[in-house]
Amino acid sequence: ETGVTQTPRHLVMGMTNKKSLKCEQHLGHNAMYWYKQSAKKPLELMFVYNFKEQTENNSVPSRFSPECPNSSHLFLHLHTLQPEDSALYLCASSQEQGQNTEAFFGQGTRLTVV
Amino acid sequence: GNSVTQMEGPVTLSEEAFLTINCTYTATGYPSLFWYVQYPGEGLQLLLKATKADDKGSNKGFEATYRKETTSFHLEKGSVQVSDSAVYFCALSAQISRRALTFGSGTRLQVQP
Repeated sequence: ETGVTQTPRHLVMGMTNKKSLKCEQHLGHNAMYWYKQSAKKPLELMFVYNFKEQTENNSVPSRFSPECPNSSHLFLHLHTLQPEDSALYLCASSQEQGQNTEAFFGQGTRLTVV
Repeated sequence: GNSVTQMEGPVTLSEEAFLTINCTYTATGYPSLFWYVQYPGEGLQLLLKATKADDKGSNKGFEATYRKETTSFHLEKGSVQVSDSAVYFCALSAQISRRALTFGSGTRLQVQP
């Protein structure tokens, strides 16, 4: 079992649907991240949580709503998405934000918006 | 601010060829440097890291040396295999700025038999 688990691995949703992506880490880390990876574009950092507090929101549209109930779990709630939101969404965790340590990634959720 | 620049791909090599993927960085303070690899359909995996100047990170035959004077962290492998085909990302973490990892744009490597 990898240290960071994302579910589901694949998701197809309509533009009027509401869905949630889940991320769970078993590494005892205190920082968790959401990244978006689109074809032919660099990795985009979306949100950062450090000790359950949101510390970064990189101008992400409000149709993406993160939730971090505890240091082990991170959710990304999705509603009224657009086709251009189709991408691979990656969750990551690290010991603490900005401590010169590496991040560990989940396998990602491949999202398709139709 | 922090930034990472890596060579554009794709890089196409024959099996057993020598690999170099260039990476240079700009950062405040003394960052740690990383190489991540992403195989098709997967998330990113840490390949190697270096935390201070002149450190050499190595794993699975890959190496990279932290060069502060040239602000570089080039990835090398002496003899690539088809199974090395993937996308490689250079990244940095700078404690002084307390930001999340900063990634380069990724370099796709294709190794042909």
